[in-house]
Amino acid sequence: DVKVTQSSRYLVKRTGEKVFLECVQDMDHENMFWYRQDPGLGLRLIYFSYDVKMKEKGDIPEGYSVSREKKERFSLILESASTNQTSMYLCASSPGQGRRAFFGQGTRLTVV
Amino acid sequence: AQKITQTQPGMFVQEKEAVTLDCTYDTSDPSYGLFWYKQPSSGEMIFLIYQGSYDQQNATEGRYSLNFQKARKSANLVISASQLGDSAMYFCAMRVRGATNKLIFGTGTLLAVQP
Repeated sequence: DVKVTQSSRYLVKRTGEKVFLECVQDMDHENMFWYRQDPGLGLRLIYFSYDVKMKEKGDIPEGYSVSREKKERFSLILESASTNQTSMYLCASSPGQGRRAFFGQGTRLTVV
Repeated sequence: AQKITQTQPGMFVQEKEAVTLDCTYDTSDPSYGLFWYKQPSSGEMIFLIYQGSYDQQNATEGRYSLNFQKARKSANLVISASQLGDSAMYFCAMRVRGATNKLIFGTGTLLAVQP
């Protein structure tokens, strides 16, 4: 069974903290994605990576950074968490020219 | 710029009836793929159907079919014989082929199936 695993289902952090969201896939996929999901806004792409150490900004990269040191792991970093980053974060992976992306279970982050 | 537009924030449908969820897209690239995902209240993203830009036939997967009108840049999802379990959020997505394979989503349509 294919699997994309996000390190936490729920997370509560304080304003100003550095936050790491981890995502691991076991399918040897080239592409990995980080989205945030907010009511009425759908899934918005934060960053994606098409190879190890390669990354590109999505539509809303401000306030976020990413790291992909190994093919199976893609980390989303909030350098200094703010309340407007309270959201559901979804990680996904897909093959290079794949027909579908596989999603993790999501991390609901609350910044207080 | 690439964009997916879903203009229906919410819809009702009677059980056993068919329903069409609208999706339009914008890209200047000739090679792309279109997807529909279902997200029930549990939050998981369930892949439903895929259509490639060069596919001659409309995609079908069981009760799901994709009404692909390339000239109009639309990729509507048709669900036949709706069931109560179809109540969920539905997202249309597009991936433009190339080196980076960026995958973008629309804002979603919340479907409520009524008994």
